[in-house]
Amino acid sequence: QQQVKQSPQSLIVQKGGISIINCAYENTAFDYFPWYQQFPGKGPALLIAIRPDVSEKKEGRFTISFNKSAKQFSLHIMDSQPGDSATYFCAASGPGTYKYIFGTGTRLKVLA
Amino acid sequence: DAGVIQSPRHEVTEMGQEVTLRCKPISGHDYLFWYRQTMMRGLELLIYFNNNVPIDDSGMPEDRFSAKMPNASFSTLKIQPSEPRDSAVYFCASSDSDTQYFGPGTRLTVL
Repeated sequence: QQQVKQSPQSLIVQKGGISIINCAYENTAFDYFPWYQQFPGKGPALLIAIRPDVSEKKEGRFTISFNKSAKQFSLHIMDSQPGDSATYFCAASGPGTYKYIFGTGTRLKVLA
Repeated sequence: DAGVIQSPRHEVTEMGQEVTLRCKPISGHDYLFWYRQTMMRGLELLIYFNNNVPIDDSGMPEDRFSAKMPNASFSTLKIQPSEPRDSAVYFCASSDSDTQYFGPGTRLTVL
């Protein structure tokens, strides 16, 4: 019940295309859903996050879509650029704790 | 702020040796997390502290691993004795809210 399932494992997108990464969770107590971006040789860094009281959050080219009833959330990268090539992790945490449950990661490659 | 600082950045050691990884969290953050990252298992939470007190160490793989936080600005993760299967990148992260800030990691290779 603590798992966060992430798909796909890897993704190749043409420059200018839309990248979509999906995550699903089981624990309905989760109340914070961040996405982290990791470049090779670096630590993960927060990209965007959402709480379940909204269905969508947008920051620049990055959008989180959240479906509370389906217990799913996804990251959309619009106008994908080669500089977006990285590994993306979704995560979830519950109330009263800042402990994350991470997804398994998606390796995104954007072709120039 | 300099962000989360980890040392060393790379460590190569031989099986059986003791390894100590170090972390300096962001000043003012009261949560500190230790993670291990491998290709096979992804990002695993090993242990986390709140106000220097270990809260959850259920992710620590076995007794060979230990972690301490003697004060708000320093934490160590020790592996004794080390084994080749401990080879991984170890991250430290700190937070004072929902957002965790990760350090650059220590790449550990155990021969």
